[in-house]
Amino acid sequence: EAQLMESGGGLGRRGGSVRLSCAASGFDFRTYSMNWVRQAPGKGLEWISYISSASNIIYYADSVQGRFTISRDNARNSLYLQMNNLRGDDTGVYYCARLPSISEVYAFDIWGQGTVVTVSS
Amino acid sequence: TQLTQSPSSLSASVGDSVTITCRASQDISIYLAWYQQKPGKAPEVLIYAASTLQSGVPSRFSGSGSGTDFSLTISSLQPEDFATYYCQQLDSYPRTFGEGTRLEIK
Repeated sequence: EAQLMESGGGLGRRGGSVRLSCAASGFDFRTYSMNWVRQAPGKGLEWISYISSASNIIYYADSVQGRFTISRDNARNSLYLQMNNLRGDDTGVYYCARLPSISEVYAFDIWGQGTVVTVSS
Repeated sequence: TQLTQSPSSLSASVGDSVTITCRASQDISIYLAWYQQKPGKAPEVLIYAASTLQSGVPSRFSGSGSGTDFSLTISSLQPEDFATYYCQQLDSYPRTFGEGTRLEIK
């Protein structure tokens, strides 16, 4: 069974840093592109970053561009999100999500359970 | 590409049929997905490519549309369908989501 599991959330200080991890299992991680999506308390979903299977294509939402860095280690079946210069509006649940190719299920078909990041002053 | 979802909330009874709409600010062909999210849980994909039902999703869920106008219809609502629904475009980056539709029991 394909699964994703995030870790690394917790309390971060304003202006500080947090690093999230997402461990993949049950599928060939190296062949899938991946995404991070977040959800502020009581709010909707916000896509924040994408990385291709070979890490050669990366995109960010404007809200995190220049502060967050997405990366992956295919040998370790892991996805990462380095979050720097944290702001209060970065508080929320962070999900990693799998995106198959356009010829397959072209949607975020597998999601982790989420990890909570709380930014304090 | 901005997505405008309506209504933002909806009350219905078990057995009713409901439709949620999603309008894109530009042509996104059929690159639209629908997700269901229950409180405290991750979203789950229901529909992709505007009208293709994800494996394992009940056939009472259906999607339609192309270009800029899309809809999700749930026929014969079941108790487990009361949740929040989001549309998402996969035509371009950023991969925007609609604001969500909260479906509540009347």
